[in-house]
Amino acid sequence: GESVGLHLPTLSVQEGDNSIINCAYSNSASDYFIWYKQESGKGPQFIIDIRSNMDKRQGQRVTVLLNKTVKHLSLQIAATQPGDSAVYFCADSGPSGGYNKLIFGAGTRLAVHP
Amino acid sequence: KAGVTQTPRYLIKTRGQQVTLSCSPISGHRSVSWYQQTPGQGLQFLFEYFSETQRNKGNFPGRFSGRQFSNSRSEMNVSTLELGDSALYLCASSLGGQLEQYFGPGTRLTVT
Repeated sequence: GESVGLHLPTLSVQEGDNSIINCAYSNSASDYFIWYKQESGKGPQFIIDIRSNMDKRQGQRVTVLLNKTVKHLSLQIAATQPGDSAVYFCADSGPSGGYNKLIFGAGTRLAVHP
Repeated sequence: KAGVTQTPRYLIKTRGQQVTLSCSPISGHRSVSWYQQTPGQGLQFLFEYFSETQRNKGNFPGRFSGRQFSNSRSEMNVSTLELGDSALYLCASSLGGQLEQYFGPGTRLTVT
């Protein structure tokens, strides 16, 4: 498939370990945040979202943490599996808070080794 | 429920030509957003349509336009293609408000 980004930061983990992917956002007025996973040749796939009135949200094997003080977002993946290998993007609603206008981060490539 | 579909999946055009891409949202979704993805610039918002009206627009030149039909299907058009327009064009749909967007597989446009 086509490469999503040629020079993305890469996080390499062993299968079974926990992964933490970090993201910084720039606008303190953003009130909605979302994580996507993109596999080669596919569109981004929704993982989990969080609103600014929360600091933590859990899904199946994933947890998103939001620190508004330092404008930082993280995605934790428990017991990482080979199928988790992909590029992960954070996105936020941006300065206008406009509906469905997402500002995406550059992405982090997660490589899971058996 | 079927996901977001985009046609065509791949397209090769020549500089100066124009192109139309199509997106069918998830059934019941009324909002359609378009994004351009390139290795250098990443994912960038183009525009968003809701109930046939453009609600949001990104920072792209006027050569990029779109529309939405009454059945929520959307098209985007790029006129006078430039080499730099080569990209993966992604369409995403959502129910309407500031909710999670579901992406299609994209249309890979190559301009030669």
